[in-house]
Amino acid sequence: KNQVEQSPQSLIILEGKNCTLQCNYTVSPFSNLRWYKQDTGRGPVSLTIMTFSENTKSNGRYTATLDADTKQSSLHITASQLSDSASYICVVRSYGGSQGNLIFGKGTKLSVKP
Amino acid sequence: IAGITQAPTSQILAAGRRMTLRCTQDMRHNAMYWYRQDLGLGLRLIHYSNTAGTTGKGEVPDGYSVSRANTDDFPLTLASAVPSQTSVYFCASRDQPDGNIQYFGAGTRLSVL
Repeated sequence: KNQVEQSPQSLIILEGKNCTLQCNYTVSPFSNLRWYKQDTGRGPVSLTIMTFSENTKSNGRYTATLDADTKQSSLHITASQLSDSASYICVVRSYGGSQGNLIFGKGTKLSVKP
Repeated sequence: IAGITQAPTSQILAAGRRMTLRCTQDMRHNAMYWYRQDLGLGLRLIHYSNTAGTTGKGEVPDGYSVSRANTDDFPLTLASAVPSQTSVYFCASRDQPDGNIQYFGAGTRLSVL
């Protein structure tokens, strides 16, 4: 069964610290992996998208990595800011299917404290 | 450019009532989607439309219907609301069904009492 598992479920860090969020998947065949940021009361917004051949992709202070062999991805946040407080959702896309076959993780809720 | 607009932003509804959640996009995207997001369950696909005039069922379609009369609008209807449909509903769109970036609306928070 295609699944996307994220860890931890929630995380509290101090402003300025770094953190890493994990995403493991069992989706096959794999097309790409995306990380979304969802602020409270808002819709998800795309941060990065990586295909099978990409190992790392950055978007400002956000760096995503992908190991397609172990089916793991991480999202590293550098020098966290209060505005990074949000839920981060890992989404894996599989090939085929009429609806684009997106499998969503349940998200990691990050709280950045001053 | 507004992107995706959902209405209403929130609604309290009596069980058994009919309700239509509205979704409009101005990006001329072909594909549109409706998701519900529940605590601990993540986003789940209700219905989708790959192009105007076509619709399909997602993971949790029961109790919901959609229509896609034109490119811009994709309303979601609850014919007879039940408390288990209490959720936050997100509309999304992509330029093509296999396009890489999916854009989401701000959501509609629905409470069915």
